[in-house]
Amino acid sequence: AQSVTQLGSHVSVSEGALVLLRCNYSSSVPPYLFWYVQYPNQGLQLLLKYTSAATLVKGINGFEAEFKKSETSFHLTKPSAHMSDAAEYFCSGSQGNLIFGKGTKLSVKP
Amino acid sequence: DAGVIQSPRHEVTEMGQEVTLRCKPISGHNSLFWYRQTMMRGLELLIYFNNNVPIDDSGMPEDRFSAKMPNASFSTLKIQPSEPRDSAVYFCASTPGGELTDTQYFGPGTRLTVL
Repeated sequence: AQSVTQLGSHVSVSEGALVLLRCNYSSSVPPYLFWYVQYPNQGLQLLLKYTSAATLVKGINGFEAEFKKSETSFHLTKPSAHMSDAAEYFCSGSQGNLIFGKGTKLSVKP
Repeated sequence: DAGVIQSPRHEVTEMGQEVTLRCKPISGHNSLFWYRQTMMRGLELLIYFNNNVPIDDSGMPEDRFSAKMPNASFSTLKIQPSEPRDSAVYFCASTPGGELTDTQYFGPGTRLTVL
């Protein structure tokens, strides 16, 4: 069965440091992949979406993700964390059905 | 443009009572999704509609839950009778087309507390 796994329920970085949030998918055929962000007391918002057009996908707020078929991964990165990036991030995959990862809460220390 | 609208934003009720959550999707969107979010289980897809027709309700936890979409601009999620374990944040989302590969636009959620 298709699954999406986010490694690490909580990641803490210092302001200005690299952000790396991990996501692996389990599927024989690469699905559509998404990263969503949820700020406190709000709904999820799309950060970026992979549709097989390009393996490196750029999203909003300086985030990007690289699709690596050999590693079945779609990790989210940002070169320099900002305090406003503190939120929960969800990886999601769609291939016949729609599945969300458990989420990773990102904390940014000043 | 107005996004997805959900009401109420907060609901506190007692066990055994009926609860109705409401959602207005973005105008022109063809698909509507209901999710439940808890600390233990994360975000779960409960049911989704395409052109007002339920497509997949396999995520609905049990018969106490029901969802309707009488027209393109309104949907309800009803729990009857409610139980404490139903306490969660319920999100509604809509998409422009009928594909699960479309970007989802989420509402702000309804925080339900069942005492």
